[in-house]
Amino acid sequence: NAGVTQTPKFQVLKTGQSMTLQCAQDMNHEYMSWYRQDPGMGLRLIHYSVGAGITDQGEVPNGYNVSRSTTEDFPLRLLSAAPSQTSVYFCASSRRGQGPDTQYFGPGTRLTVL
Amino acid sequence: KNEVEQSPQNLTAQEGEFITINCSYSVGISALHWLQQHPGGGIVSLFMLSSGKKKHGRLIATINIQEKHSSLHITASHPRDSAVYICAVPNTGNQFYFGTGTSLTVIP
Repeated sequence: NAGVTQTPKFQVLKTGQSMTLQCAQDMNHEYMSWYRQDPGMGLRLIHYSVGAGITDQGEVPNGYNVSRSTTEDFPLRLLSAAPSQTSVYFCASSRRGQGPDTQYFGPGTRLTVL
Repeated sequence: KNEVEQSPQNLTAQEGEFITINCSYSVGISALHWLQQHPGGGIVSLFMLSSGKKKHGRLIATINIQEKHSSLHITASHPRDSAVYICAVPNTGNQFYFGTGTSLTVIP
């Protein structure tokens, strides 16, 4: 199993550009999440999904869109990039159970918006 | 307001030292997670615990649900233990509050 994969690893954008961060998992996990990590702050939840066709907003959703058409894929779209979106982005997945289960994280995407 | 507080923020130790990282939380929980983030950025789950103590190699995690406190101990620390250690507690469903992490550097 590849686990959770993310592409690209690094990206530089200009203000106003749009792009999609890709995330895929091959563990048949129901739950998938996108986080951003900024210096001095903990991981913050952007959007999450509890299954195909179902998404919801997290703590910091503004400026981002998600969709979940398949169990495996959970792309994150930046609609119009802003310098405040410079961050490291992590995708994570976990099984659906009686309570929170171990999360598996992707390697991260380091995004710089100029 | 931070639901999860970790201390210390930064920690430097000599190889072989016993290390303790603390996590306090303000919400009621069913389980708490300790994560390790390597210098290259990858994040892995170390422990999920809901009571008592868990041990994995040189790592020991303890939790006191009544006091809303958990500790991560590393015995006989080694330079390869250098990483950021993150405490996480669940809010609803499978979502989490994360601490800001403790950056550990172990010097040979």
